[in-house]
Amino acid sequence: GESVGLHLPTLSVQEGDNSIINCAYSNSASDYFIWYKQESGKGPQFIIDIRSNMDKRQGQRVTVLLNKTVKHLSLQIAATQPGDSAVYFCALEGGGNKLTFGTGTQLKVEL
Amino acid sequence: DAGVIQSPRHEVTEMGQEVTLRCKPISGHNSLFWYRQTMMRGLELLIYFNNNVPIDDSGMPEDRFSAKMPNASFSTLKIQPSEPRDSAVYFCASSLASLGYGYTFGSGTRLTVV
Repeated sequence: GESVGLHLPTLSVQEGDNSIINCAYSNSASDYFIWYKQESGKGPQFIIDIRSNMDKRQGQRVTVLLNKTVKHLSLQIAATQPGDSAVYFCALEGGGNKLTFGTGTQLKVEL
Repeated sequence: DAGVIQSPRHEVTEMGQEVTLRCKPISGHNSLFWYRQTMMRGLELLIYFNNNVPIDDSGMPEDRFSAKMPNASFSTLKIQPSEPRDSAVYFCASSLASLGYGYTFGSGTRLTVV
């Protein structure tokens, strides 16, 4: 089966700094990857996605990088703000429109 | 768009009782997913439906769990009888598969079995 994991359960950054959250996966057949943000008491919220035919995709203050060679995915958040404090999950598509989620990284933004 | 709507938001029940969780997906979405989230196991897929048909229920823990989707706008997840280890947050999500798989999650039901 596939596994998805995050490198750090917790990441603390200063407000205004850039954040990098990393994710490793094992299923080389996956062709679609998503980052979700989950705030306390809420469901996961879509942030950004990327397909396997790309290695970089940018959104508003967020960038996702995909390295298929080493099966590594990262989420970069520019100028981190207090509102970015949440748990971040990577997820990958494992066939049949089914997503497998990683274990999550708690991002803490220090003022 | 009201998003994915789940009810109830919180449920406290006694061990042995039946629990029914409800979900209304986004109108037009043709896939629906039930997930369970705990600190120990993270987000686990329990079951998912495409066009109201159950496709994969391999994540359903045991026979005490059952899910139905009688129509495109409603799904239920039932636990009977409930046990303390079923305590978790249960999320429903929906998607339109042809638009790239990104799910929209509901706010979840926090279930506590005492």
